[in-house]
Amino acid sequence: ETGVTQTPRHLVMGMTNKKSLKCEQHLGHNAMYWYKQSAKKPLELMFVYNFKEQTENNSVPSRFSPECPNSSHLFLHLHTLQPEDSALYLCASSPHLERGGADTQYFGPGTRLTVL
Amino acid sequence: GQNIDQPTEMTATEGAIVQINCTYQTSGFNGLFWYQQHAGEAPTFLSYNVLDGLEEKGRFSSFLSRSKGYSYLLLKELQMNDSASYLCAVGDSNYQLIWGAGTKLIIKP
Repeated sequence: ETGVTQTPRHLVMGMTNKKSLKCEQHLGHNAMYWYKQSAKKPLELMFVYNFKEQTENNSVPSRFSPECPNSSHLFLHLHTLQPEDSALYLCASSPHLERGGADTQYFGPGTRLTVL
Repeated sequence: GQNIDQPTEMTATEGAIVQINCTYQTSGFNGLFWYQQHAGEAPTFLSYNVLDGLEEKGRFSSFLSRSKGYSYLLLKELQMNDSASYLCAVGDSNYQLIWGAGTKLIIKP
């Protein structure tokens, strides 16, 4: 148990569906992240939030929409996805973000997403 | 561009020692991380190196050479449960982590 939970653990959706992924951290951290993990590829950073403010959006398609209502919760809203979006979506948190530093990140177990 | 290289897969024997290498080219350097990820589970933090040299933590050690852009993770007295993917990541100048694709380690009896 790493203190970061994600729901659902598995999700199958059609290309016309709308769904949301949820992440919650119980570590008192101020930064939260969404990553995409595809087989045999490096983790792809999608979004970063620091003190609830989005600081990075690494050219992610608009069919992925993040929401961070507070420092403990992070959502990823999904709509009109494509089959190539099938992957493991990981949420992570870290104590804080600062330029020139690198923070240890703590990951949730991920949501295995399949788009039909 | 930014790049992290590590072997795709390695095989080792229970009780033996294995070394997993990682080379990197990044814009800036703010430390190197090793994570372990069992199949279907979250990546978990193993080690962090920011200065050259060897950091030892129980059966696991991690080495860093900044001048060579090189690190390795050394696992001793291998156990079957060490079968997992090992991810190398480097903190760049923008405080983001740049990740390698991971090394799948298979432990055989």
